[in-house]
Amino acid sequence: QSALTQPASVSGSPGQSITISCTGTSSDVGGYNYVSWYEQHPGKAPKLMIYDVSNRPSGVSNRFSGSKSGNTASLTISGLQAEDEADYYCNSYTSSNTYVFGTGTKVTVL
Amino acid sequence: QVQLQESGPGLVKPSETLSLTCTVSGGSIINHYWSWIRQPPGKGLEWIGYIYFTGTTNYNPSLKSRVTISVDTSKNQFSLKLSSVTAADTAVYYCARGGGWWGDWGQGTLVTVSS
Repeated sequence: QSALTQPASVSGSPGQSITISCTGTSSDVGGYNYVSWYEQHPGKAPKLMIYDVSNRPSGVSNRFSGSKSGNTASLTISGLQAEDEADYYCNSYTSSNTYVFGTGTKVTVL
Repeated sequence: QVQLQESGPGLVKPSETLSLTCTVSGGSIINHYWSWIRQPPGKGLEWIGYIYFTGTTNYNPSLKSRVTISVDTSKNQFSLKLSSVTAADTAVYYCARGGGWWGDWGQGTLVTVSS
């Protein structure tokens, strides 16, 4: 199973909105509403930000939102803050009854 | 809130078996899925597999021939064994609660494969 494709880096100024894409195929992202997103700061464990495409766990800021169109899922961070600078990973269920992560995106706050 | 803690050797020799245990506290291992995920230094995340408290497992096909995940409900623990390791298995290994998305994670433990 190949990793889902994410841009290597995305940047934005404080207060702006950015969107991270996660592209797969009809056998994973496009076929199921089981996409999740994780934020990871250096040396820390990942943190769940979005599950089942667009659901936000309790305690996660509503500045984070998820969506999907076809074979591409997206994570949008609105009102970008310095603390949002981190690596972000998507994950999807696949038709093989397994799970695959994205390649990861480094978010830089300018 | 449930807490997870990985434990095991930080150094494993090539061709040997990597063994890690995850201890769950603050909650029961019953009625949940439990997973292992790893991250090579400077690289992305890789799903290794999961186990349900009943013992049902599901593994990453790329690792399936070498991986065994087991659960001990009496100790509130689950474990990972990865056989015939090579340098490519050097990574931070995380245990996490969940089968398809993971809301609770351990802090991770670095396992280095080297002679």
